[in-house]
Amino acid sequence: QKEVEQNSGPLSVPEGAIASLNCTYSDRGSQSFFWYRQYSGKSPELIMFIYSNGDKEDGRFTAQLNKASQYVSLLIRDSQPSDSATYLCADGRTDSWGKLQFGAGTQVVVTP
Amino acid sequence: DADVTQTPRNRITKTGKRIMLECSQTKGHDRMYWYRQDPGLGLRLIYYSFDVKDINKGEISDGYSVSRQAQAKFSLSLESAIPNQTALYFCATAGSNQPQHFGDGTRLSIL
Repeated sequence: QKEVEQNSGPLSVPEGAIASLNCTYSDRGSQSFFWYRQYSGKSPELIMFIYSNGDKEDGRFTAQLNKASQYVSLLIRDSQPSDSATYLCADGRTDSWGKLQFGAGTQVVVTP
Repeated sequence: DADVTQTPRNRITKTGKRIMLECSQTKGHDRMYWYRQDPGLGLRLIYYSFDVKDINKGEISDGYSVSRQAQAKFSLSLESAIPNQTALYFCATAGSNQPQHFGDGTRLSIL
């Protein structure tokens, strides 16, 4: 059983709509979570991280964490074609963010 | 200039060859990591180092070795390359309690 699960997609989203990405994790002790965006053939780049239950907003991105249900989500508002990429969820576990457990990623395609 | 530099960016080699991938950083981070990425499998940790004298195996260390030559340099070696080590390899760095930042990657093909 994978420890961090993501729907591989592709998730097709009309331009201007909200993209909703979900991630579940198996380690109940996990404290911190990260979302990375990866364009095809490029390196992952950090979008945001979250470690408290609830919502965290940064521009058009909102991360949501629910530790009781063991899921973390990412919302992308007003989706743009430039948001087309694979989004990686990572579990930072409990050891001071020392190691990350990555999901396989969700591919997002924003259609004009 | 990139903060995390990986060399080479692309490499094609033959089965049985020894290969070294290099990573250097100018961010002053103590923590360095090597990952491989295969289609559909996401990023998997090969080795990591929290300082110059600290080396730890990740989830897929078999067939690989590393060297932390200095705070800024972390090399990954494949002693005898095999075709199933064909993948995209990433180096990442992080400060204590800081998110990881990735280099541009090395695309390695083993024939």
